[in-house]
Amino acid sequence: EAAVTQSPRSKVAVTGGKVTLSCHQTNNHDYMYWYRQDTGHGLRLIHYSYVADSTEKGDIPDGYKASRPSQENFSLILELASLSQTAVYFCASSRDRNSGNTLYFGEGSRLIVV
Amino acid sequence: TQTVSQSDAHVTVFEGDSVELRCNYSYGGSIYLSWYIQHHGRGLQFLLKYYSGNPVVQGVNGFEAEFSKSDSSFHLRKASVHWSDSAVYFCAVSAPNYNVLYFGSGTKLTVEP
Repeated sequence: EAAVTQSPRSKVAVTGGKVTLSCHQTNNHDYMYWYRQDTGHGLRLIHYSYVADSTEKGDIPDGYKASRPSQENFSLILELASLSQTAVYFCASSRDRNSGNTLYFGEGSRLIVV
Repeated sequence: TQTVSQSDAHVTVFEGDSVELRCNYSYGGSIYLSWYIQHHGRGLQFLLKYYSGNPVVQGVNGFEAEFSKSDSSFHLRKASVHWSDSAVYFCAVSAPNYNVLYFGSGTKLTVEP
């Protein structure tokens, strides 16, 4: 089973501050994703990556940057955190385009912006 | 653009009951359809998926889903639920060779004793 670990698991940030959420996977997967989950809603795709040193925009990229320094690591960066970015963030990975799009998720990072 | 809708935000049943969680999608071409489960405070876990072939697919823990092209649906079913099945269930859709999933809003299943 794929292992995807996120850190921190929980964070309180101040408005205007910088937040970095980190994700590490140990299964040699090509694809990694960052999703956002708001209470009572589904997941929305922020950024994804299919190779190291390259990232792609998802559906809601505004206010977020992503970094994929290696195949194993994928970070989500909030340069200027805002109240509206309070949410739970999930990282996920998948093997490749032929994997049938089975995603393996981390446990989530709960971010509260005050 | 692919979209997926889950019309029931909440479903409550008793242990031992059968349950069907509904999912409808909108997309013109071939797609992957899948279901994921999220227990409280946890990440999502894959349950099952469909791309082609037998429209009824089996998943883990007695779950199955049936694809219907005419209804644009992929409903999830279980014949006899257990209290541990209480969770939020997400339907997801993706196009082949496009490794991005789009999720529905989720259905919270509560199984009462």
